[in-house]
Amino acid sequence: GEDVEQSLFLSVREGDSSVINCTYTDSSSTYLYWYKQEPGAGLQLLTYIFSNMDMKQDQRLTVLLNKKDKHLSLRIADTQTGDSAIYFCAPHGSEKLTFGTGTRLTIIP
Amino acid sequence: GAGVSQTPSNKVTEKGKYVELRCDPISGHTALYWYRQSLGQGPEFLIYFQGTGAADDSGLPNDRFFAVRPEGSVSTLKIQRTERGDSAVYLCASSLAFRDRIVFGSGTRLTVV
Repeated sequence: GEDVEQSLFLSVREGDSSVINCTYTDSSSTYLYWYKQEPGAGLQLLTYIFSNMDMKQDQRLTVLLNKKDKHLSLRIADTQTGDSAIYFCAPHGSEKLTFGTGTRLTIIP
Repeated sequence: GAGVSQTPSNKVTEKGKYVELRCDPISGHTALYWYRQSLGQGPEFLIYFQGTGAADDSGLPNDRFFAVRPEGSVSTLKIQRTERGDSAVYLCASSLAFRDRIVFGSGTRLTVV
């Protein structure tokens, strides 16, 4: 089945850019999602990219997709305290959406 | 409806009891998914419906878990003889069709005591 890997933790200073990386194994993934989950809250769809795209920008968020290397990244510009959360990478593979372990983003004041 | 609705939002049950969790997908969405998220982990796939039929139930952990979607809209996840290890947030999601963009509900937090 699909395997999705992310680093568990990332700490960034307020105002800097955050880059969260993800690798996956299923090359048939069509949509690749990024979800945000704040403590005690549900999954919030942050952004997504379709597999025939290399990059997608949405305000402070930039998603990069390297399909050859099966590598996905999420860049958050001008990171704010409200960005503190767990971020999940979730490629939609041949049959289902598979989630990574999540990266806990901590903002340093 | 406007979003995926799950009821109840919280459920506390005693070990050994039977529970049902309900999911109302977005109107017109044919694909419906159930996931389970345990504390400190990412969501894990349980089962996927396309219309009324379970297209993939490979994630159901054992035969105590069962899900139905009799009319291709609302789905119910049923757990028999609940165990403390079943405590988790159960998430439902839907999409217009298979491989379309998936939208999640806010989940049902199940606590087995």
